[in-house]
Amino acid sequence: QKEVEQDPGPLSVPEGAIVSLNCTYSNSAFQYFMWYRQYSRKGPELLMYTYSSGNKEDGRFTAQVDKSSKYISLFIRDSQPSDSATYLCAMMAGNDMRFGAGTRLTVKP
Amino acid sequence: DAGVIQSPRHEVTEMGQEVTLRCKPISGHNSLFWYRQTMMRGLELLIYFNNNVPIDDSGMPEDRFSAKMPNASFSTLKIQPSEPRDSAVYFCASSLTLVGNQPQHFGDGTRLSIL
Repeated sequence: QKEVEQDPGPLSVPEGAIVSLNCTYSNSAFQYFMWYRQYSRKGPELLMYTYSSGNKEDGRFTAQVDKSSKYISLFIRDSQPSDSATYLCAMMAGNDMRFGAGTRLTVKP
Repeated sequence: DAGVIQSPRHEVTEMGQEVTLRCKPISGHNSLFWYRQTMMRGLELLIYFNNNVPIDDSGMPEDRFSAKMPNASFSTLKIQPSEPRDSAVYFCASSLTLVGNQPQHFGDGTRLSIL
């Protein structure tokens, strides 16, 4: 079993849809959780950074962490074609950082 | 603000040649990371530095790979000799510090093709 599991997709939705991206993990030591967005031929760009359980909202994006279930989510409201990218979850415990495989999202106009 | 800068953006070379990838971290960031990304294996951490000192190189696949950080604003990743299976996108990332769980900021990568 991988330490971080993420469905690679691909995921295709119509413009305006609510998107839900998820990761599960096995190491309970992870305390910090991130979502990165990666456009084609670009580096991963930090989108959301959260600590511990709960929700964090930033515009159309909401990051949710459930440490008891070892499950994190990223919700995108009113999705736009410009949201089309690969989304990677990442988590940290001290110096140890692990990435999910990434979910490829396409938002169709 | 200038982000992490990597060069070259693309490199195509023949098997057996030496390859040198370069990275300039964000000014003021004390930690630097080298990653490799492939479709099969995703993002893999190769090595990371703190205050120019290598901390963990357990992700470096073979002795053909080496990395240096001669000063706070420059790092290199070298492959010698290169092999076709080294073909991948190599990313450099930097963070403020190692402690405090600071997030990493990535460059746009070097797309390496070994023929």
